[in-house]
Amino acid sequence: EADIYQTPRYLVIGTGKKITLECSQTMGHDKMYWYQQDPGMELHLIHYSYGVNSTEKGDLSSESTVSRIRTEHFPLTLESARPSHTSQYLCASSESRTAFEALHFGNGTRLTVT
Amino acid sequence: DQQVKQNSPSLSVQEGRISILNCDYTNSMFDYFLWYKKYPAEGPTFLISISSIKDKNEDGRFTVFLNKSAKHLSLHIVPSQPGDSAVYFCAASLIFQGAQKLVFGQGTRLTINP
Repeated sequence: EADIYQTPRYLVIGTGKKITLECSQTMGHDKMYWYQQDPGMELHLIHYSYGVNSTEKGDLSSESTVSRIRTEHFPLTLESARPSHTSQYLCASSESRTAFEALHFGNGTRLTVT
Repeated sequence: DQQVKQNSPSLSVQEGRISILNCDYTNSMFDYFLWYKKYPAEGPTFLISISSIKDKNEDGRFTVFLNKSAKHLSLHIVPSQPGDSAVYFCAASLIFQGAQKLVFGQGTRLTINP
C-alpha cells in the first residue's frame, strides 16, 4: 500500500504570493499525478509525471507548474496565487505506467487565496 | 463534455438496507471502472474496480455491476453501515498516448441513517 504525504493540509494565503504544495511518496512509484477538485465537482487532472524529469499537463488547464527531480517528490508551484486558485489539490501515485492500477491518493491540500 | 456522470449528488439510506450508487459514461474506450470513497478532509481511497470485459465484481459487502450496452455501472453496498457514509466517486480508466488516465464523476454523498 502506498504512503503519500501532502503538506500543508490547509493553506490560506494572499493574492500574488508564490506557493509550493508538497507531495512525497515512499513506495518508489514511477507515476505521480496532481488533481484539482472543487466542492461537489469531479476531480480534474492538472499534471502528471511518468518518472524523474518527466512532466505533462493534464486535461484541465492550470497556471501551476510541477517538477520531478526525485522519484519520491512531486511538488506543485503557483508563482502568483489568485482567488480563482482556491480549491483542493490532491496528489496521487501508481506503480504501473500502462497496466491498469488504482491510484493511491494523499489527503490533499485545501488552498484558499484571499 | 463530461464523460463520466453521477447524476445523484446525494443519497440517504437506512442502516442495514442496500445502497445503490449509479454512474453513466459516454466513452466506449474505457477499459476499467473504479469506485473511490472519500471522507471529509481525506483523500479518496480505492474501493473496488471492474474490467470492461466483465459485468459483475464482488468484494465483501460491495458489488459493482457493469452494463456496457447502457454505458452504466452501479455500486451496491449491502448491508449499509454508518461507516459507509462518505462521498463516492465513480472513475473510468483508459490508455491515452501510452499512459493510463482516469476520468472522474462528480461524486455522490451517501448518508447512512441509524
